[in-house]
Amino acid sequence: EIVLTQSPGTLSLSPGERATLSCRASQSVSSSYLAWYQQKPGQAPRLLIYGASSRATGIPDRFSGSGSGTDFTLTISRLEPEDFAVYYCQQYGSSPYSFTFGPGTKVDIK
Amino acid sequence: QVQLVQSGAEVKKPGASVKVSCKASGYTFTSYGISWVRQAPGQGLEWMGWISAYNGNTNYAQKLQGRVTMTTDTSTSTAYMELRSLRSDDTAVYYCALAVAGTAVDYWGQGTLVTVSS
Repeated sequence: EIVLTQSPGTLSLSPGERATLSCRASQSVSSSYLAWYQQKPGQAPRLLIYGASSRATGIPDRFSGSGSGTDFTLTISRLEPEDFAVYYCQQYGSSPYSFTFGPGTKVDIK
Repeated sequence: QVQLVQSGAEVKKPGASVKVSCKASGYTFTSYGISWVRQAPGQGLEWMGWISAYNGNTNYAQKLQGRVTMTTDTSTSTAYMELRSLRSDDTAVYYCALAVAGTAVDYWGQGTLVTVSS
């Protein structure tokens, strides 16, 4: 079973700064099967990035994803006030139609 | 537009069962499977399993095998998740989820809080 590790656990930044979030897999993951979500308190997660680098519908271009193999990155180029949230990476397919989530990175206001 | 509307919050005693519903609209129900994901208070996301709305095939997370059953009712476009022998660590928000392309969740239900407490 593939295990996802996210770092840092918490990222304290100011609006306008750049955020770089890391997701590392215990074994190689197909880029097609790596996604990122944003979750705010009391809300369901929202899909940001799928296929490692493709933005979901309606996602601003300040969000970008990159990486391959075991190392993936979510970058928020300039933090807006609404971007302070928890971010999860997700891998598809350890077993058919299954998802594995990372533990999350909280981006909070410095 | 695609919508997944879940049933309301539940409070259950340890050892009891709970059944959460998820009514889908805005797409052909039998075209995609439904996944269930839960989130304990202050914790991350945990995939519980998946059911095909086309033929009822299922794939459950190993840790829940034997305690969880997922079903669908195609006449009402509703998916169900039943969890038995509830324990306090089953307290969580339970989400139904739709992955149109299969590899990432595009649509989420609003979540159902299940509290297990004596």
